[in-house]
Amino acid sequence: KNEVEQSPQNLTAQEGEFITINCSYSVGISALHWLQQHPGGGIVSLFMLSSGKKKHGRLIATINIQEKHSSLHITASHPRDSAVYICAVRSTTRDDKIIFGKGTRLHILP
Amino acid sequence: GAGVSQTPSNKVTEKGKYVELRCDPISGHTALYWYRQSLGQGPEFLIYFQGTGAADDSGLPNDRFFAVRPEGSVSTLKIQRTERGDSAVYLCASSFLGVVTGELFFGEGSRLTVL
Repeated sequence: KNEVEQSPQNLTAQEGEFITINCSYSVGISALHWLQQHPGGGIVSLFMLSSGKKKHGRLIATINIQEKHSSLHITASHPRDSAVYICAVRSTTRDDKIIFGKGTRLHILP
Repeated sequence: GAGVSQTPSNKVTEKGKYVELRCDPISGHTALYWYRQSLGQGPEFLIYFQGTGAADDSGLPNDRFFAVRPEGSVSTLKIQRTERGDSAVYLCASSFLGVVTGELFFGEGSRLTVL
């Protein structure tokens, strides 16, 4: 079993829909990152969380430390949100190594 | 520099050749990570430096892969006797790792193609 699991692996939605991507992890962490990678592009950090909730524009990220779970939400989704979203954790049980999930491929249809 | 810089951005080489990929992290960042990403896959961990030392090199696939960070800033990933299966985008990321965990910044990657 992977130490960082994301769901769904693939998601197609219509423009305007509310999107939720989930991340569960099984290791101790000091921080969790949500990253975005557009097709053929580099990786950009969206959020870094250690507790609670963060909001940036139409993006919201939450984390529940007790349940070892985080969610990334996109409100009023737009075709330009189409990308791979990757959850990564900085693991305290693995000498601060960053462990990546396999990513969620999001496609927003116009 | 303003961000994490990786060179070369593209490298095409023949099977069996030696390749070096360079990562110049953000100034002052203590932690440096190397990953590789194959098409359609998430990043695969290779090695992580804290300062000059490799804190974790468990992701290096075999002894053809080696990485150094002699002065605690620039890092070089070295691949000997390249194989076609080494073709991937090699990503470097850096962050400040101290009492407070820092944001993670990625370079644009070095795309390696082994013919």
